[in-house]
Amino acid sequence: QVQLQQSGAELVKPGSSVKISCKASGYTFTSYDMHWIKQQPGNGLEWIGWIYPGNGNTKYNQKFNGKATLTADKSSSTAYMQLSSLTSEDSAVYFCARLNWGFDYWGQGVMVTVSS
Amino acid sequence: DIQMTQSPASLSASLEEIVTITCQASQDIGNWLSWYQQKPGKSPQLLIYGATSLADGVPSRFSGSRSGTQYSLKISRLQVEDIGIYYCLQAYSAWTFGGGTKLELK
Repeated sequence: QVQLQQSGAELVKPGSSVKISCKASGYTFTSYDMHWIKQQPGNGLEWIGWIYPGNGNTKYNQKFNGKATLTADKSSSTAYMQLSSLTSEDSAVYFCARLNWGFDYWGQGVMVTVSS
Repeated sequence: DIQMTQSPASLSASLEEIVTITCQASQDIGNWLSWYQQKPGKSPQLLIYGATSLADGVPSRFSGSRSGTQYSLKISRLQVEDIGIYYCLQAYSAWTFGGGTKLELK
């Protein structure tokens, strides 16, 4: 069965970077776009960008240009998102989601807390 | 950028009631519209894709429709397990979520 297993919660300092992961299983990792979505506490969903693991192509929401960097490791079927120059506005839950017809599978989410 | 205006922001309904949530797109997006349900502390779940197609395993009381640039999600007979927050998502040009509708029991 398809699963997206994300890494654990992160507590990071302002100005630092964090890299979170999304390990895919149960399907051909290189055949589907992987998307990333942000959800701030009590808020709605915000699309960050996607990566196509087959060739590494990426596309970002302009708002996250320079903030998020998406990569993928085909050998381990794992997608990554690095967030840089972190501020309190980056404190949120971050989801990965597979694009099929809609986002049909989601990771469980990673809570990132930015605090000194 | 395409904007998705979702309404209402919150909704209180009784069991077995018909519930309708709408999303208005700022421009033509064709059928590039999906709907999601999110329960507290959980990841969103796909309900409808292609504006009208029911995702696998989703109860048939959920349905989607389109009229021009307005999209609707209908729950034909509200059940307890349908309580949560609902989002629309356009995928015509990049991806944009609606603001969400919080559905509660009356």
